[in-house]
Amino acid sequence: GQQLNQSPQSMFIQEGEDVSMNCTSSSIFNTWLWYKQDPGEGPVLLIALYKAGELTSNGRLTAQFGITRKDSFLNISASIPSDVGIYFCAGQLDSGNTPLVFGKGTRLSVIA
Amino acid sequence: GAGVSQSPRYKVAKRGQDVALRCDPISGHVSLFWYQQALGQGPEFLTYFQNEAQLDKSGLPSDRFFAERPEGSVSTLKIQRTQQEDSAVYLCASSWDIWEQFFGPGTRLTVL
Repeated sequence: GQQLNQSPQSMFIQEGEDVSMNCTSSSIFNTWLWYKQDPGEGPVLLIALYKAGELTSNGRLTAQFGITRKDSFLNISASIPSDVGIYFCAGQLDSGNTPLVFGKGTRLSVIA
Repeated sequence: GAGVSQSPRYKVAKRGQDVALRCDPISGHVSLFWYQQALGQGPEFLTYFQNEAQLDKSGLPSDRFFAERPEGSVSTLKIQRTQQEDSAVYLCASSWDIWEQFFGPGTRLTVL
């Protein structure tokens, strides 16, 4: 089946540093999404990308949809302690009403 | 309520018991998805409803898993004769047409 390769698996960074994580796929997706999951909670959508090449920002977060439609990256600038959590990329063939294919997640730890 | 709710939040079952997990989607959301999230992994798709119709059940791991949404609102995921490998967090998500999927907090199932 479809699989997403997400890296790195985990990161330990100092508060204030920038973070970058990425996701690649052997399949083409029409939508790429980035989610954050806190312990004991469901994933929460951070950024959705609908068009190849699209670069989208949400506050300190920036994500890009790769031109080949097989990859995406997420950057977090000036990290703060509340950025701690697990970040998942997800690919979707069509927005909204089709299943999501998730990566295995990047666990982010921020050292104050 | 404002978001997707799931109950129970935690369930401990003895191997061989049947369990039923409930999902209350956001009111008016047409699509409902079930995902299974093993420890340290990303969520994996189980099944999808549009209103009361189950359009895709390709992710259900065995015929012990059964889902229903009889009135197009609340959904129940039933697992018969639970096995230890069924231990996971079961996430429900709902969406309205083409918009983003909103996730519930999940039910953590532990099979002893």
